[in-house]
Amino acid sequence: ELKVEQNPLFLSMQEGKNYTIYCNYSTTSDRLYWYRQDPGKSLESLFVLLSNGAVKQEGRLMASLDTKARLSTLHITAAVHDLSATYFCAVEGNYGGSQGNLIFGKGTKLSVKP
Amino acid sequence: DADVTQTPRNRITKTGKRIMLECSQTKGHDRMYWYRQDPGLGLRLIYYSFDVKDINKGEISDGYSVSRQAQAKFSLSLESAIPNQTALYFCATSDLRGVQETQYFGPGTRLLVL
Repeated sequence: ELKVEQNPLFLSMQEGKNYTIYCNYSTTSDRLYWYRQDPGKSLESLFVLLSNGAVKQEGRLMASLDTKARLSTLHITAAVHDLSATYFCAVEGNYGGSQGNLIFGKGTKLSVKP
Repeated sequence: DADVTQTPRNRITKTGKRIMLECSQTKGHDRMYWYRQDPGLGLRLIYYSFDVKDINKGEISDGYSVSRQAQAKFSLSLESAIPNQTALYFCATSDLRGVQETQYFGPGTRLLVL
């Protein structure tokens, strides 16, 4: 059974600081996804990582993928309040023998304080 | 206009009632999904459909059924609602024709079963 674990689950940061969110998964997968969810809102796609060593950056967020370690990281640089949200990673599952389903981690709730 | 819409956005119902949640998309995607989100548990897959004639169970399909009326429409039914089905329900779509098969989420339906 594929499991996706994120840590930390809660993160309180000060503005201007750096931090990393970790996403470990239990079986082989070459695709990993990061999403953002604001309170009361839907999920917004941030990054799609398609191969080992993939790195993508958007503003203050940078995501990387190490398929050998089954690990993805989401690095936050010089956090600002607008980054406060819940961040989910997801890995392609295999329900019913079909690819293309996503198994989500439980999410990391990030709070950036002045 | 939103690409993925869900109706209703909020619903209160009583135990034992049958209810239907509807999802429509204008993205032209073949793949559609239903998830539920519970606090602290992330998103869990209920059912998914890769085309109109394809319906598959996800992680937590018991107590739910679905119908794929057309490429653009995917409905979720609770045949006899129970209180532990109180949750936030999301519909999502994706398209395997592109390299990046990210999922696009609807705004969600908040369901309360009394």
